[in-house]
Amino acid sequence: GAGVSQSPSNKVTEKGKDVELRCDPISGHTALYWYRQRLGQGLEFLIYFQGNSAPDKSGLPSDRFSAERTGESVSTLTIQRTQQEDSAVYLCASSLGGRYNEQFFGPGTRLTVL
Amino acid sequence: LAKTTQPISMDSYEGQEVNITCSHNNIATNDYITWYQQFPSQGPRFIIQGYKTKVTNEVASLFIPADRKSSTLSLPRVSLSDTAVYYCLVDTGGADGLTFGKGTHLIIQP
Repeated sequence: GAGVSQSPSNKVTEKGKDVELRCDPISGHTALYWYRQRLGQGLEFLIYFQGNSAPDKSGLPSDRFSAERTGESVSTLTIQRTQQEDSAVYLCASSLGGRYNEQFFGPGTRLTVL
Repeated sequence: LAKTTQPISMDSYEGQEVNITCSHNNIATNDYITWYQQFPSQGPRFIIQGYKTKVTNEVASLFIPADRKSSTLSLPRVSLSDTAVYYCLVDTGGADGLTFGKGTHLIIQP
């Protein structure tokens, strides 16, 4: 079936604006993850959803960041009042079952804050 | 929380076997070791996962000693297309458990 998809693939915004990033996981995958990857760096965990459990938000860097997921389907990551340091690639992944299972990653959204 | 340490970069040549070692001294009893590969402008891709001893699949082998404080990813007969960043992940729970380090940048030369 189809893999994880993310939209938009690229987003350029001005400092102070809000942005919404979308992730469509693989159908049937109960777990969904968001990561941030700055240029030349590793992946920084942001948030993890597992089924109907409360999400693990422990990786969100500030209250400007939030994410929602509708059931076991699409998720949106919202960044309010964007700052230049938010510029990065935002990656979404999903897995069948919990966080210790193989993660399937999307292509990412490249966010540039001017 | 298990923190992983791996070399920043490695070089090798086509046709060689490449071994990348990851240290995870604080690994807990229930933790698995997972390796991912990432090409430029793509999300990471799962390579292999193991708990102890040796695991082999069609692309790689994973060697884990008895104390499990390290693991070695072995790529047989590499090609230019194996040039990528390789991440070792030991998920012990919490945010740190899902934080990938900088990985090992493997460069394969002709």
